Amino acid sequence: AQSVTQPDIHITVSEGASLELRCNYSYGATPYLFWYVQSPGQGLQLLLKYFSGDTLVQGIKGFEAEFKRSQSSFNLRKPSVHWSDAAEYFCAVDNNNDMRFGAGTRLTVKP
Amino acid sequence: DAGVTQSPTHLIKTRGQHVTLRCSPISGHKSVSWYQQVLGQGPQFIFQYYEKEERGRGNFPDRFSARQFPNYSSELNVNALLLGDSALYLCASSSRGGFTDTQYFGPGTRLTVL
Repeated sequence: AQSVTQPDIHITVSEGASLELRCNYSYGATPYLFWYVQSPGQGLQLLLKYFSGDTLVQGIKGFEAEFKRSQSSFNLRKPSVHWSDAAEYFCAVDNNNDMRFGAGTRLTVKP
Repeated sequence: DAGVTQSPTHLIKTRGQHVTLRCSPISGHKSVSWYQQVLGQGPQFIFQYYEKEERGRGNFPDRFSARQFPNYSSELNVNALLLGDSALYLCASSSRGGFTDTQYFGPGTRLTVL
């Protein structure tokens, strides 16, 4: 079955530490891939997206993601987390106009 | 410029009733998508409309319907409400149909079904 999996429900990192959020998908072909962030009172915001080409994608707010076809993964990274990065993060895929989101990873940032 | 707006902000209904949710896209955007986000889960795609035509539909029962108006605003209708319809309903707008253009999300309508 087609699915998007975010294995980590909740992650806690210290401010200034690096971050990696995992995302795996299960589709026959490479779908379009996205990462969104949802903060209270802010709504969902697109961080970055991958369609084709360079497998390392740069996004807003210092985030990047790497597409790895062999692992069916699209992990989100940030070298140094800020307290304002605390939020819910969603990986999403679009496979032929079928848009699906993962269940999300909640990020807590410790001072 | 105004972002995506949704009304109402909150809504309380009882089982069996129907509800209409409204969305106004960003000026110049011709596509609107609707999502349902149950507490603790990711958004689930319900519909996408582009130029007043349905371009995509998620796995939702026929109780859910939508339409897009000539000014590109949109309504989502849900009939015969069930307790499980309680959720945050999100609207997103983009320039064109499909999902390759960036989607801009509204703040959502919180629906509670009692």
